[in-house]
Order: sequence, then C-alpha cells, then structure tokens
Amino acid sequence: DTGVSQDPRHKITKRGQNVTFRCDPISEHNRLYWYRQTLGQGPEFLTYFQNEAQLEKSRLLSDRFSAERPKGSFSTLEIQRTEQGDSAMYLCASSSWGGSTDTQYFGPGTRLTVL
Amino acid sequence: DQQVKQNSPSLSVQEGRISILNCDYTNSMFDYFLWYKKYPAEGPTFLISISSIKDKNEDGRFTVFLNKSAKHLSLHIVPSQPGDSAVYFCAASATAGGTSYGKLTFGQGTILTVHP
Repeated sequence: DTGVSQDPRHKITKRGQNVTFRCDPISEHNRLYWYRQTLGQGPEFLTYFQNEAQLEKSRLLSDRFSAERPKGSFSTLEIQRTEQGDSAMYLCASSSWGGSTDTQYFGPGTRLTVL
Repeated sequence: DQQVKQNSPSLSVQEGRISILNCDYTNSMFDYFLWYKKYPAEGPTFLISISSIKDKNEDGRFTVFLNKSAKHLSLHIVPSQPGDSAVYFCAASATAGGTSYGKLTFGQGTILTVHP
C-alpha cells in the first residue's frame, strides 16, 4: 500500500503564471484534502472532496484557486495568476471515511515559490 | 481566531527522559484530536489520536491525554529518543450526527529537540 503522493515536489514560477499540482491519494481512500502551510504555522485547510464531490471550501481559497477530483481518485489544485503571497507548502491528505472519526494521512507536499 | 493553540514553540529534552507537548483548544464542537510529527521538507506523519469519549490513548512510547473540561490535550513520549526530534502538531476536528466534518484545524506546532 503506497502512501499519498504529490507532484511536483517543488515548483518555482514567476508572478502571474498559472500552476497546477497533482495529488494521488492512498488507493480506495474516499476523502481527499488540500491544505496550505506557511513558515512557522500549522497546515491550514483549503478544501476537501468525498469521492468526486467537493464538500467544503475555505475562505482562504480565492477565485484564483480551483480544485478538482474528476473520477474520485487523483486530484488537481490549480492556482491562476500566482502572487508572491501564494508561496507556501501545499499538502494533500487522504482518508478512508467510514463514520465519526477521520484520520488523515499526508503526502510529502509541493513547495511553491513565486518570484 | 486561533482555535487550536500550542503555546510552547520549542521543547528541549534529554534522551531517555519524558517529553510532554501541550495543546489547548477553544471550540467545544471539537471531538476528535490527533497528533502529527513533521520533519523538514516532508508532510506530517500521523502519530496517535483520541476521541472525546476517552481521556487517554496509548500506542507504544506515545500517550495522549485529553481533559475535556479544560479543553486541553497533551502528548507524552517516554522514553524520548533523538529520532523523535521534529515539529509536533496537534489537530482537531468536529462531528455532527455521527458524521465527521472532515477538515482538521491545526496548532502552530512545537519543535521538539531530544539531545543524546
């Protein structure tokens, strides 16, 4: 059983460019989450999917951000017209939700640097 | 509004001794709590969790204690090892009607250093 994988691990881009990140969850996990972490802070929730349905989006997720999970397996997070404030570690997690508890397992993250 | 707080940015402990990491929360809706360990340039690794129906959960060297009335939880690591040196995050989530809301709210983290 492989863990959560994310691609790319690092991305350097210029301000104004679009970037897309991919997350492959643990197989058969029905929930997939995106978080963002900046230096010195804990991860902050962005959005999550249960199967292919996007169930919640944070206020942090501006109109420039969009996430998809078209077939209920992998997910993509796109940031359009990147800004320097988007520089952060983007973390993906997945879980096998089956009731009241929901233990999430994280991938290695994608480090985004916007110049 | 910081709903989960880890007030100690860092903790230094001698190898073999106990490490105690603390976490406070304000949202009374939280009923499931987790601890994660994070090394630089890696994602958080799940360590241990506790449901609000319990006040203690053990897994090997790791024990989590929950005090609901004080809205406080702690992670005990005994004995501490140099490989435990990492950033530790506590996280919380809420359920309603038996269904998890899903999202985790994290504290700011505590840097644990275990000296040989």
